[in-house]
Amino acid sequence: RKEVEQDPGPFNVPEGATVAFNCTYSNSASQSFFWYRQDCRKEPKLLMSVYSSGNEDGRFTAQLNRASQYISLLIRDSKLSDSATYLCAVKGQDSNYQLIWGAGTKLIIKP
Amino acid sequence: DAGVTQSPTHLIKTRGQQVTLRCSPISGHKSVSWYQQVLGQGPQFIFQYYEKEERGRGNFPDRFSARQFPNYSSELNVNALLLGDSALYLCASSLRDRVDYGYTFGSGTRLTVV
Repeated sequence: RKEVEQDPGPFNVPEGATVAFNCTYSNSASQSFFWYRQDCRKEPKLLMSVYSSGNEDGRFTAQLNRASQYISLLIRDSKLSDSATYLCAVKGQDSNYQLIWGAGTKLIIKP
Repeated sequence: DAGVTQSPTHLIKTRGQQVTLRCSPISGHKSVSWYQQVLGQGPQFIFQYYEKEERGRGNFPDRFSARQFPNYSSELNVNALLLGDSALYLCASSLRDRVDYGYTFGSGTRLTVV
């Protein structure tokens, strides 16, 4: 079993819709969690950290479920420009400097 | 302010050759981390350097080595290149040796081994 797993997609979603995807992690001692966005052939860019109480940034909401060991990302009122691959990353308890990454979920927003 | 800069942006090498990739961190950042991202996968940790010392090494063969210079820039060297080394190599810098607040990546070096 991979340490961090994501549904590869693609998720094909009409513009304006709400979409959500999850990321599961295997190490219950994991501490910090992040969502990154990666455009085709570009570097990953930090979208948001995920806090225990959940957090929101505009149309984006991230949540952490420690009991079930997953994080989620919700995108409301999706835009064409949201089309990208969304990667989750996890910092384990025994490593202060390393992130463990999922393979990403591809999102395609259609007009 | 300049972000993380990497050079070269693209590189084509032949199997068996050696390659050196370069990274300049954000001004004031003392930590540099290297990741390899193969197409269709998430980044895989290679090395972290902080204050010119290696702080972490991922599960990569000894063909991979790195160093950090007094100005905190870094080089990643890969010897005896294999086709499987073809990937996007990402450099990230951070102020401290911890990654609690995530990374800022450079735009990467795309290495193709033929």
